Amino acid sequence: SQKIEQNSEALNIQEGKTATLTCNYTNYSPAYLQWYRQDPGRGPVFLLLIRENEKEKRKERLKVTFDTTLKQSLFHITASQPADSATYLCAPQEGQNFVFGPGTRLSVLP
Amino acid sequence: KAGVTQTPRYLIKTRGQQVTLSCSPISGHRSVSWYQQTPGQGLQFLFEYFSETQRNKGNFPGRFSGRQFSNSRSEMNVSTLELGDSALYLCASSLNPRGGTDSNQPQHFGDGTRLSIL
Repeated sequence: SQKIEQNSEALNIQEGKTATLTCNYTNYSPAYLQWYRQDPGRGPVFLLLIRENEKEKRKERLKVTFDTTLKQSLFHITASQPADSATYLCAPQEGQNFVFGPGTRLSVLP
Repeated sequence: KAGVTQTPRYLIKTRGQQVTLSCSPISGHRSVSWYQQTPGQGLQFLFEYFSETQRNKGNFPGRFSGRQFSNSRSEMNVSTLELGDSALYLCASSLNPRGGTDSNQPQHFGDGTRLSIL
C-alpha cells in the first residue's frame, strides 16, 4: 500500500542553523511533490512545488530536493528563525492521488 | 483577493446529530477539496468537487457527503455523528482539479471548522 513518512515527529534546532526535513514515500510514482507549512489552529499554507524532472527548487531561505530513485524529498530552511517554528507537511501527487504526509513539527530555539 | 472562507469556525454537536459545514473558495477557483485532520490520522482526503461534480472520494463512510454550487461554494454534511468524527475539517480550493491538465496547482486552505462531538 502507499505510504508517506516524514522524519521524526518533532525536530528541535538552534536559531541560525539549517533545518532539514525528510519525506519518504513508498509504492508511489509522484509527478509532483508539494510542501506546506501549518501553524496551530490554522490551515496549511503552500510553500514550494517540485516536479519529478527537477532535482532542486529554491525560494528565499527554502530549498527542496526530489530524488525519484531514493523516493525521497528533502526540505531545508537555512538561517532558521523562531518564526519558522511550525509543522511542515509534504504531499506527493500522483495523478488524482494527492496525499499528505503526517508532518514534522519544527521548533527553532532562540 | 480574499482567501478561502470556512464557516463556522467552531461547532459542538452530540452523537447522532448531523452537521453541515460551508466553504467559499478563492474567487475564480472551481476545484474544492475537503479534508479531515486529527492528531492520530493526520490530514485525510474526503472528496473533491469541480464544476458541481464530485471527481474524487477518499475512504470515508457514506455518512460523509458534499456538494458544490454553481458559484463554486461547497458544503459538506456529516450525518449520524460519532465521537470519532471530532476533528478539524479543512477546505482547500485550486484553479484546476487534481489529475487534470495543469493539475500541479497549490491547494489554498481555509482555517477550518473545529468540530467537537460530545
